[in-house]
Amino acid sequence: AQKVTQAQTEISVVEKEDVTLDCVYETRDTTYYLFWYKQPPSGELVFLIRRNSFDEQNEISGRYSWNFQKSTSSFNFTITASQVVDSAVYFCAARSTDSNYQLIWGAGTKLIIKP
Amino acid sequence: SAVISQKPSRDICQRGTSLTIQCQVDSQVTMMFWYRQQPGQSLTLIATANQGSEATYESGFVIDKFPISRPNLTFSTLTVSNMSPEDSSIYLCSVPGSGGTEAFFGQGTRLTVV
Repeated sequence: AQKVTQAQTEISVVEKEDVTLDCVYETRDTTYYLFWYKQPPSGELVFLIRRNSFDEQNEISGRYSWNFQKSTSSFNFTITASQVVDSAVYFCAARSTDSNYQLIWGAGTKLIIKP
Repeated sequence: SAVISQKPSRDICQRGTSLTIQCQVDSQVTMMFWYRQQPGQSLTLIATANQGSEATYESGFVIDKFPISRPNLTFSTLTVSNMSPEDSSIYLCSVPGSGGTEAFFGQGTRLTVV
C-alpha cells in the first residue's frame, strides 16, 4: 500500500520569499515514481516533475527545485523568489512502477503568495 | 506531452438531470482515467476506461451513476447521472504520457448542481 502525506494544508508568504512544500510518502515498493502537480485557480492540473525512486539527484528548473531523500521518504518542493503567479494548490503524488498508472495523491497544499 | 481537450469546462445543472463530459486526446492511448475532485479535496479516481472493454470502477463508484464510454483510442465520455448537489465537483480526465510514467490532465469540468 502507498500513502502520500502533505501536512501543510495552506501556506501564505509574501512575494519574493522562498517557500518549501513538504511531501512524505510511504511505500513497500522497491521502485516507484514521485510527482508534483500544480493546480491554479482555473482548475487544470499541470505536471511539474517526475522523479524515479532509483534517481536521488535533486533537480532545479528555474525558480523551482526538488529535494528527494529516500532516507526520510521525502520529496520536497522549493520555490525561490516566489511570485503571485505561483499561487495555486500543489499536489504530490506517487505510484508504483508496476501499478496500472494509478496515482496515489496527497491532500494538496494551498500556496498563497501575497504581493 | 499529450494534449487533452475536455468539454464542457463548467456547467450548472439542475438536480435529477445528467451531464455528459467529453475528453478528446490528440494521440491514441490505451487507458484513460476519470477523476473527481470535490471542493477543497484531493483527486479521487472514479474509473479506468479501456477501449473495447467495460470501464473498471473504483470502490464507491458504480456504472449506473457514472456510465463511461470509450468508443476509440482518442475519446471518452463520463456521464454524471441523476445529479444531486453532492455531485458538485471538478471532474478531470487523464491519460499517461508517451513514456508511460507521468499523467496528463484535461482542463477539468467544474460542475455545480443546484
